[in-house]
Amino acid sequence: AQRVTQPEKLLSVFKGAPVELKCNYSYSGSPELFWYVQYSRQRLQLLLRHISRESIKGFTADLNKGETSFHLKKPFAQEEDSAMYYCALRADGGGSNYKLTFGKGTLLTVNP
Amino acid sequence: KAGVTQTPRYLIKTRGQQVTLSCSPISGHRSVSWYQQTPGQGLQFLFEYFSETQRNKGNFPGRFSGRQFSNSRSEMNVSTLELGDSALYLCASSFTWDTQYFGPGTRLTVL
Repeated sequence: AQRVTQPEKLLSVFKGAPVELKCNYSYSGSPELFWYVQYSRQRLQLLLRHISRESIKGFTADLNKGETSFHLKKPFAQEEDSAMYYCALRADGGGSNYKLTFGKGTLLTVNP
Repeated sequence: KAGVTQTPRYLIKTRGQQVTLSCSPISGHRSVSWYQQTPGQGLQFLFEYFSETQRNKGNFPGRFSGRQFSNSRSEMNVSTLELGDSALYLCASSFTWDTQYFGPGTRLTVL
């Protein structure tokens, strides 16, 4: 069964500091990984997906199959980055039934 | 372009009742997915519909069902409500699977 682990429930950094939100996954096949973000009082939105290798709002994430990780990074955090971040894995749960499994989320606070 | 809309936004039901939630996707999007969000379990995938067919399904009991209409609007039904079904139910629409747009959610409270 697939699983996504975000080890930090809370993460607090200062503005301008680097930030890394950790995500580890468990899946034996070829994963599709995503990061979602939910700003206060806003809708959940897709931040980035590993397959596109895009940088969104200064965030990047690299899939490391050896370490089964997909950590989200930003070199210089901004106060507007404060939000809840969810890592998610889309994988075949059997019989071509693709399920999206979310981590529990990390609440990032960027202090001035 | 109008975003994803969900109705109703808030709902209060009692145990044993059933409930139907509605999701209107972005125009042109044929895929609609449903999620349950609770403080304890976090975000969990319920099911995905594409062109009126259920394409993928999460690990929820048969009390949770859904359907999609020819205009891509989707409904989710929960029968025989339990206290543990209290949650925020989110739907998301997409044109291609890897780009989803979420609705504001329906907050269901079961008493």
